Amino acid sequence: DAGVTQSPTHLIKTRGQQVTLRCSPKSGHDTVSWYQQALGQGPQFIFQYYEEEERQRGNFPDRFSGHQFPNYSSELNVNALLLGDSALYLCASSLVQGSGANVLTFGAGSRLTVL
Amino acid sequence: GNSVTQMEGPVTLSEEAFLTINCTYTATGYPSLFWYVQYPGEGLQLLLKATKADDKGSNKGFEATYRKETTSFHLEKGSVQVSDSAVYFCALNQAGGGNKLTFGTGTQLKVEL
Repeated sequence: DAGVTQSPTHLIKTRGQQVTLRCSPKSGHDTVSWYQQALGQGPQFIFQYYEEEERQRGNFPDRFSGHQFPNYSSELNVNALLLGDSALYLCASSLVQGSGANVLTFGAGSRLTVL
Repeated sequence: GNSVTQMEGPVTLSEEAFLTINCTYTATGYPSLFWYVQYPGEGLQLLLKATKADDKGSNKGFEATYRKETTSFHLEKGSVQVSDSAVYFCALNQAGGGNKLTFGTGTQLKVEL
């Protein structure tokens, strides 16, 4: 049973460019969340998608946007990249929106470097 | 807002030593509490969780007790192994909070022979 898969694993962009990261949730999961993990820090919640709609959003600017497809996979888009966007981007999936006790399954992440 | 505070690392121990990683939190109501572990080059894996006061989560010899009175969820293991070397994250999720976890900054554990 495949877990959460993310692509690409590593990428390098320059300031001002745009990036798209992709995530396939664990089989049977219908909810996808994205987190940003800066070096040496804990993950920070970006947003959560369920039924193809953004359901919750953390404290991130509108440059960060996402999408969920009918097959539950998801994309994270970041526009006008800044040096500070360099981080590991983690995708996590779960079943239903949850009561707060849901267990998230994390992917290995996409490491973005902005030069 | 919600927050999680963990002891700073790195924590360096000899194999078979006792481990404690402190975690305290600030949240309204009764959040669920989690410990996640991150091995080098990998994503986060759930280690254990507790959903109400006085619950004890346990897995792979690790355990943590949800202490409402001290707003703490300290991670312990009686005898660590070299394979336990990783970064450990304490996290909380507000009741009804969907999948919005609030993480601490992580504590790196190094276990030496």
